[in-house]
Amino acid sequence: NAGVMQNPRHLVRRRGQEARLRCSPMKGHSHVYWYRQLPEEGLKFMVYLQKENIIDESGMPKERFSAEFPKEGPSILRIQQVVRGDSAAYFCASSPQSSRAQETQYFGPGTRLLVL
Amino acid sequence: EDKVVQSPLSLVVHEGDTVTLNCSYEVTNFRSLLWYKQEKKAPTFLFMLTSSGIEKKSGRLSSILDKKELFSILNITATQTGDSAVYLCAREAGGSNYKLTFGKGTLLTVNP
Repeated sequence: NAGVMQNPRHLVRRRGQEARLRCSPMKGHSHVYWYRQLPEEGLKFMVYLQKENIIDESGMPKERFSAEFPKEGPSILRIQQVVRGDSAAYFCASSPQSSRAQETQYFGPGTRLLVL
Repeated sequence: EDKVVQSPLSLVVHEGDTVTLNCSYEVTNFRSLLWYKQEKKAPTFLFMLTSSGIEKKSGRLSSILDKKELFSILNITATQTGDSAVYLCAREAGGSNYKLTFGKGTLLTVNP
């Protein structure tokens, strides 16, 4: 019973390049959430997606960031023209259709992005 | 903006001590309060609290929610070095949006 999978685990990019972060939710989970953790900061919500739909992107920066969760395949968080301030740990979490009892959000191992 | 405030921000204790971690939150659009443990990797789920006054226990860890005073506590008894971690409190939104709003965490260090 695999947990939430994220890849790559570490990603190094130069300023101006693109970063693509992938997240495969737990089996049977149809909700995906992306969070960002800056150094010395708590986890900040970025976006909430269900299959083929963005439910809430209120935490996403207005420019350069986008997310998708296609019908087939993993969820993708895409950062265009990365800057040093994008360096952070990006965590993906998934949950099943409804959040009840102990069926809450389970987190992946994160992708640590370093922008040089 | 929804806020979750944790205290203390850091805590150093000796093995065997009992610790209490605090979390206060704003009431807007509340579904549940969650606790996670983070050890340099993915946050791992500890507790989800939805009802006031009902203590949840898992081994040496326990947690309780007070919806009237808008806070929760996480207790760890007989601490061990393996309990050293950042403990995160998060408030789950209500309605059809389940996003989590996290506090900054409490860094617990348990010394032998």
